[in-house]
Amino acid sequence: QAQLVQSGGGVVRPGRSLRLSCTGSGFTFGDFGMHWVRQVPGKGLEWVAAISYDGRDTYYEDSVKGRFTISRDNSKSTVDLQMSSLRPEDTAVYYCATMTTVDYWGQGTLVTVSS
Amino acid sequence: SYQLTQPPSVSVSPGQTARITCSGDSLAKKYGYWYQQKPGQAPVLVISKDNERPSGISERFSGSSSGTTVTLTISGVQAEDEADYYCQSTDSVGTSWVFGGGTKLTV
Repeated sequence: QAQLVQSGGGVVRPGRSLRLSCTGSGFTFGDFGMHWVRQVPGKGLEWVAAISYDGRDTYYEDSVKGRFTISRDNSKSTVDLQMSSLRPEDTAVYYCATMTTVDYWGQGTLVTVSS
Repeated sequence: SYQLTQPPSVSVSPGQTARITCSGDSLAKKYGYWYQQKPGQAPVLVISKDNERPSGISERFSGSSSGTTVTLTISGVQAEDEADYYCQSTDSVGTSWVFGGGTKLTV
């Protein structure tokens, strides 16, 4: 059974850093580009970042450019989101996802940025 | 930044047909996708590439595209279809992904 399992998240103070991880299983992870999507509780979905299947190309939403870094290790079937200079407005549930015709999503992890 | 526009809410009675629209300039050239999200759950893809239904998705779900608008149609709406629905696409260059604001379907 194909799945994405997330780890990381929690409460962090503004300006600090946090790393989210996502591990795929049950499918050929290296065949898929991967995305991070976030959702403020009670609000809509917001795309955050993407990385190509081979890790060569990365893309970011404007508000996280220069602060967040997406990376992957296909040998471990993992995709990470390194978040730096965190702001209160980054508080959200973060999902990893394939977002293709073969669509898998992680279970989501809450990141709370608060002093 | 690029935007997709959806109505905030749609309300239908059980057994009726629900239609949810999504508008955006790049939809004339880029595919639209539709996600269903129920409270406390991750989104689920219900329509891919404007009108393709993924395996396991009910035949009551269908999609269409015309110009800069894509439409999700749910026929014979059931109580279990009550959820938030999001359209998704990319900008014209294909390097920025975007979601619509979401439509709350009330049955």
